[in-house]
Amino acid sequence: EIVLTQSPGTLSLSPGERATFSCRASQSVSSSYLAWYQQKPGQAPGLLIYGASSRATGIPDRFSGSGSGTDFTLTISRLEPEDFAVYYCQQYGSSPPYTFGQGTKLEIK
Amino acid sequence: QVQLVESGGGVVQPGRSLRLSCTASGFTFSFYAMHWVRQAPGKGLEWVAVISYDGTNKDYADSVKGRFTISRDNSKNTLYLQMNSLRGEDTAVYYCARDFDSWFAFFLYWGQGTLVTVSS
Repeated sequence: EIVLTQSPGTLSLSPGERATFSCRASQSVSSSYLAWYQQKPGQAPGLLIYGASSRATGIPDRFSGSGSGTDFTLTISRLEPEDFAVYYCQQYGSSPPYTFGQGTKLEIK
Repeated sequence: QVQLVESGGGVVQPGRSLRLSCTASGFTFSFYAMHWVRQAPGKGLEWVAVISYDGTNKDYADSVKGRFTISRDNSKNTLYLQMNSLRGEDTAVYYCARDFDSWFAFFLYWGQGTLVTVSS
């Protein structure tokens, strides 16, 4: 089973700033099959990024993903008020289980 | 538009059973793998189970293997999760999620979730 470790646990930033989220895998994620989700309180998660760097339909270009192998990054270039939420990475490159990271909470500073 | 609506959650005693349903609309249900993902209160996401587009292939997280069964009825556009021998640690919001394609195992669409509480 691939274990995903996200850091930091909490990120405190202000609107307009840049946010960087890290996701590290315990072993290489094949074919960069890594996704990022955003979850707001009381809502289901929403897909942001798949294939490590491809934005899902309708996702603003201030969201970008990068990385390969065991190290992946989600960047929000300029935070908007609606971006404050919890962010999860998920790998789907190996056979099941399809594991998630423990999440990073982005809070308003 | 794509809609996934879960039902069947509730409070159940440890050791008892519960069946969740997820009714799909807005897409050709029989084309896509479907998944269950759960989230314990205040915790992160945990993938639970997957079923192929035609129901012939299934897989489970180790934490539920042998106790939970995923199934689907393509004629009714409905996904199921039969949960037996329930434990306290199964308490969670259960989401059904549509695969991106036939079986990529990342999730483009999610339901709103149904809460299962296992408690005596």
